[in-house]
Amino acid sequence: EAQVTQNPRYLITVTGKKLTVTCSQNMNHEYMSWYRQDPGLGLRQIYYSMNVEVTDKGDVPEGYKVSRKEKRNFPLILESPSPNQTSLYFCASSPSAGPRETQYFGPGTRLLVL
Amino acid sequence: AQKITQTQPGMFVQEKEAVTLDCTYDTSDPSYGLFWYKQPSSGEMIFLIYQGSYDQQNATEGRYSLNFQKARKSANLVISASQLGDSAMYFCAMREGASNFGNEKLTFGTGTRLTIIP
Repeated sequence: EAQVTQNPRYLITVTGKKLTVTCSQNMNHEYMSWYRQDPGLGLRQIYYSMNVEVTDKGDVPEGYKVSRKEKRNFPLILESPSPNQTSLYFCASSPSAGPRETQYFGPGTRLLVL
Repeated sequence: AQKITQTQPGMFVQEKEAVTLDCTYDTSDPSYGLFWYKQPSSGEMIFLIYQGSYDQQNATEGRYSLNFQKARKSANLVISASQLGDSAMYFCAMREGASNFGNEKLTFGTGTRLTIIP
């Protein structure tokens, strides 16, 4: 089944404790992206990747890191999480970066930083 | 200025009735895509339907259709014969081309919460 998977789905952590949210897609998509969703602010892009080893900042990259060593995987790293990073996180992928390409989303990761 | 505007924060619709969710957009790119996503209470984002800026016909996918009026910059989602399972948050989103070359990210509206009443 074609899908985007994320792990973990739910995470409660404490301030400063490094964490990684994994994202994997099995559709051979070139473009991958991370979004966060917050009440009243909608979905905002954190980072994106055009292809392996090609990543760049989105609208809200502060406090996050990413890497794209393999085409299928695009992990999101929070080196020192803070409470303002409590959010619902989505990974998404599309065949390429074109405006006509549909982005398919993972199931989401709910993160609570205490 | 908002790139995607959804003016209906919430809607209540009787089961089996048709419902229209409004979406207007703002772009100067000639090439763009418009997308609708459904977010049920469980949280996942489910792709529903896509309309390209150069498409001559309105998109349809089962019970979903998109009323695309390019001159008015509107892309309203129409759900026919609504079902209880349609209760969810609905987001309109746009992916622009030339002005975002290299990162054609999705820009989302604030969403409409649709509740279907039995």
